[in-house]
Amino acid sequence: DSGVTQTPKHLITATGQRVTLRCSPRSGDLSVYWYQQSLDQGLQFLIQYYNGEERAKGNILERFSAQQFPDLHSELNLSSLELGDSALYFCASSVEGQPTGELFFGEGSRLTVL
Amino acid sequence: GENVEQHPSTLSVQEGDSAVIKCTYSDSASNYFPWYKQELGKRPQLIIDIRSNVGEKKDQRIAVTLNKTAKHFSLHITETQPEDSAVYFCAASIGGAQKLVFGQGTRLTINP
Repeated sequence: DSGVTQTPKHLITATGQRVTLRCSPRSGDLSVYWYQQSLDQGLQFLIQYYNGEERAKGNILERFSAQQFPDLHSELNLSSLELGDSALYFCASSVEGQPTGELFFGEGSRLTVL
Repeated sequence: GENVEQHPSTLSVQEGDSAVIKCTYSDSASNYFPWYKQELGKRPQLIIDIRSNVGEKKDQRIAVTLNKTAKHFSLHITETQPEDSAVYFCAASIGGAQKLVFGQGTRLTINP
């Protein structure tokens, strides 16, 4: 158990819909990272938050947004969903503000868009 | 650039043999290079990492080497065992260590 909690574990929805994925980092970790893993694909970096502030942005679509709340949990909002958004979305956390130490991954949220 | 290239995409070795996975990166400012292992249906987990001031690091059967001049680093697994079967990802910190970018992964299969 990494200490990172992601909900829901599985989510099935239709094209055009909106979903919210939630992540609670390890106790004491200030950074939260979101990664997308499509079938047989690598881990695509989406966005990072550190202590409530956006720290780094990757290839995140405009239809996607995220935030980190004062209690340090984070939410990834995906809207106007398309078939291609079907993927496993991982959240990871770390103590530091920069990804130069171990990232602790959650179990992921598997999104299926029909 | 922000690319991390990883090869091969699949690798099959006999149990007991060695496995080598290679990665290249493009950002000369990259200074942190971790390797993650992802077993089927599981989350990625760090197995070893190396920083730019070190050329090689070992941890039991696994080792990582770094060539900063050539901008490549490699994972070496010796005396492979069935439980080594997994997808392995290399990564590099880029953009002044602002992002951790992963390679596309290598699916390693250990044949008994």
